[in-house]
Amino acid sequence: AQRVTQPEKLLSVFKGAPVELKCNYSYSGSPELFWYVQYSRQRLQLLLRHISRESIKGFTADLNKGETSFHLKKPFAQEEDSAMYYCALFSGNTPLVFGKGTRLSVIA
Amino acid sequence: EAGVAQSPRYKIIEKRQSVAFWCNPISGHATLYWYQQILGQGPKLLIQFQNNGVVDDSQLPKDRFSAERLKGVDSTLKIQPAKLEDSAVYLCASSLGSDYLNEQFFGPGTRLTVL
Repeated sequence: AQRVTQPEKLLSVFKGAPVELKCNYSYSGSPELFWYVQYSRQRLQLLLRHISRESIKGFTADLNKGETSFHLKKPFAQEEDSAMYYCALFSGNTPLVFGKGTRLSVIA
Repeated sequence: EAGVAQSPRYKIIEKRQSVAFWCNPISGHATLYWYQQILGQGPKLLIQFQNNGVVDDSQLPKDRFSAERLKGVDSTLKIQPAKLEDSAVYLCASSLGSDYLNEQFFGPGTRLTVL
């Protein structure tokens, strides 16, 4: 069965420090991976998807099939990045299986 | 454009009572999803509709949960009777299509508390 693991429930970093939110998945096929974000009092929204290979709000994520990972990275954290981040996997059988999420707290 | 609408935003009921949630997707979106998000967990898909047909309801507890999308637009999710473990946020999402290229847009959710 498909599974997404986000090992950290909470990640605290100082403003300007690099950020890495970890995501590992298990899926025997070719996965489509996404990062969703939920800012305080806002709706869950798509941040980026691996197929787009783009940087959104300074965040990037690279799919590493060998390590079955899709870690989210940003070189310099900003206070407005504080939010809940969810990694999600899409497969033909079950669209969007979500991880448990990581709360990012950026300290000024 | 207007986003996905859900009502009510909050609901408190006692166990064994019934409750219904309503969702209005973004206009033109053929695919509609209901997710359950228990505190501390990520959203879990309950049911997916394509127009007015069910595509996936494998994780829907059918002994107590039901959902419909009769006219292929808005949808209702019902729980009857509710249990304590049904306390969660129920999220509705919609997308133009069902494949991974179509972004899912989420509603604000309905927070259900079962006492």
